[in-house]
Amino acid sequence: QQQVKQSPQSLIVQKGGISIINCAYENTAFDYFPWYQQFPGKGPALLIAIRPDVSEKKEGRFTISFNKSAKQFSLHIMDSQPGDSATYFCAANYFGNEKLTFGTGTRLTIIP
Amino acid sequence: GAGVSQTPSNKVTEKGKYVELRCDPISGHTALYWYRQSLGQGPEFLIYFQGTGAADDSGLPNDRFFAVRPEGSVSTLKIQRTERGDSAVYLCASSPGAVNTGELFFGEGSRLTVL
Repeated sequence: QQQVKQSPQSLIVQKGGISIINCAYENTAFDYFPWYQQFPGKGPALLIAIRPDVSEKKEGRFTISFNKSAKQFSLHIMDSQPGDSATYFCAANYFGNEKLTFGTGTRLTIIP
Repeated sequence: GAGVSQTPSNKVTEKGKYVELRCDPISGHTALYWYRQSLGQGPEFLIYFQGTGAADDSGLPNDRFFAVRPEGSVSTLKIQRTERGDSAVYLCASSPGAVNTGELFFGEGSRLTVL
């Protein structure tokens, strides 16, 4: 059972634009929602994370929006840059469980 | 080293052979995880160690897969009688605490190809 659904599968955005990636989850026990960034040939690295007690978290150009009632969360990348070109994974977890459940990934390409 | 180290970076083997993949976590990190990433997919949990013990091995696909961490630091993922479907990137991660409280630090992975 896929517990975290991610879309789109790929995304092309012009430099300076806003990149938006969406995720939906099924397990209402999830209480931790990180986003990981992965460059080719590298392991994933934590980008930003949110808990359900807030609806939004911003770190620099990266913002997570969280909608608990809809069981959805999204990553917004403002002023997208070519260096942001990577694969992004949303993930979810609940306290006491050490598994991170990942989405299927979004391949983001920023074009000049 | 500063990060999680995995060896080998690439392994090509024949169907039916035995394979060992090694992970050297960040010094001081008590939690260690193995994930498997197939092409075009997100990482899939395999096993979690807290110290020397496997606290959760529910993600191991079958009994051909086994992992150890005898001294609470380096871990080895062992795959017996490899099958073509085992081809994937095997990622190791470590963490200073519970995954729910912070970051997993991933290595660059070991790419396994079973011919």
